[in-house]
Amino acid sequence: AQKITQTQPGMFVQEKEAVTLDCTYDTSDPSYGLFWYKQPSSGEMIFLIYQGSYDQQNATEGRYSLNFQKARKSANLVISASQLGDSAMYFCAMRDSFSGGYNKLIFGAGTRLAVHP
Amino acid sequence: DAGITQSPRYKITETGRQVTLMCHQTWSHSYMFWYRQDLGHGLRLIYYSAAADITDKGEVPDGYVVSRSKTENFPLTLESATRSQTSVYFCASSGNTEAFFGQGTRLTVV
Repeated sequence: AQKITQTQPGMFVQEKEAVTLDCTYDTSDPSYGLFWYKQPSSGEMIFLIYQGSYDQQNATEGRYSLNFQKARKSANLVISASQLGDSAMYFCAMRDSFSGGYNKLIFGAGTRLAVHP
Repeated sequence: DAGITQSPRYKITETGRQVTLMCHQTWSHSYMFWYRQDLGHGLRLIYYSAAADITDKGEVPDGYVVSRSKTENFPLTLESATRSQTSVYFCASSGNTEAFFGQGTRLTVV
């Protein structure tokens, strides 16, 4: 069955330092996609970055990069040079065809990141 | 501008009433999803749709009905609202390499 695991309920980081948020997944589908989202206290879900299972390079978007280790089934989010505005809840998500041929998009439990000045 | 919008943003309804939450996207994405977000449960998938007229259950479908007669719209109906359905509801649409969310609907059932 599909599964997304985020083992860190909470993390903190000093401003301007880098931080890694962990995400592991489980799927039997060779074709899948991994997503990261930010949810600030205002509540909206902000799409950050995407990694496809066949992508050769790790995805990057500005200060966000995805450390994709396919054999380990991990897709960790790295935020470089943390800013106070990065304080938020972060969700990892996976889309695959699971059974039936249709894609589901399922989420991990999230990690709350606090950036300290 | 391309986007995904949910309406209403806030809704208070009484137990037993039917209520419909609307979701409209302008990206022409094939896939659309409905989630509920509750403290301690993260985002749980209610229903999803692969295309117009193709829908399927997610993790917590009981008490909800969806339809998708047009690609751009994916309404979620609570047939007879219960207090346990008080939650924040998010709609999302997905293309090949992205998935965007609406602003959310905060629903309170009293």
